[in-house]
Amino acid sequence: GAVVSQHPSWVICKSGTSVKIECRSLDFQATTMFWYRQFPKQSLMLMATSNEGSKATYEQGVEKDKFLINHASLTLSTLTVTSAHPEDSSFYICSARDPGGADEKLFFGSGTQLSVL
Amino acid sequence: AQTVTQSQPEMSVQEAETVTLSCTYDTSESNYYLFWYKQPPSRQMILVIRQEAYKQQNATENRFSVNFQKAAKSFSLKISDSQLGDTAMYFCAFIDEKLTFGTGTRLTIIP
Repeated sequence: GAVVSQHPSWVICKSGTSVKIECRSLDFQATTMFWYRQFPKQSLMLMATSNEGSKATYEQGVEKDKFLINHASLTLSTLTVTSAHPEDSSFYICSARDPGGADEKLFFGSGTQLSVL
Repeated sequence: AQTVTQSQPEMSVQEAETVTLSCTYDTSESNYYLFWYKQPPSRQMILVIRQEAYKQQNATENRFSVNFQKAAKSFSLKISDSQLGDTAMYFCAFIDEKLTFGTGTRLTIIP
């Protein structure tokens, strides 16, 4: 079964509203979660790295006041798109890092398609 | 900052043939992991294969294998006996502190 749950899968909202996307690790504690944005037929662009209990690290060009990230617990990170506009319409994907064991393990959510009208 | 380059935007191959997808990367780190991910039309990211940089032996997973050349910073993926279900976008990725993806290769398997 899925080890990372991302909700919602689809969201349509009016311009100016805020949208929250949740990313949960189901059977492990994720000290680090990554948030990505993907435009059609393009690669995943890292937006920010979310570490539990500390402020997120944003990539260059990503507005931290626009894309609020909260990693309040070891199993939950949220991305809030504030005052969404049509140009924010995109596919957003989270990834959680499982620090346990000797191997590097990363698990992806199923993504959220955001459409801003 | 690390970069990941995939020089083949699109590739196509006949079913049952072998295809190799190329990937190069740039980093100053010595300890890291490399991945190949598959993204079908569902857009779910699926791990294909993983390679630890400290291991010289190339990783293999059934029909998938890699050619890891650490000195050249090259990490190609070979798909043997290709199947129709292999049709997807393939992303090479690198991780040390953060996970960085290449631009992707759209692979089409022709019946």
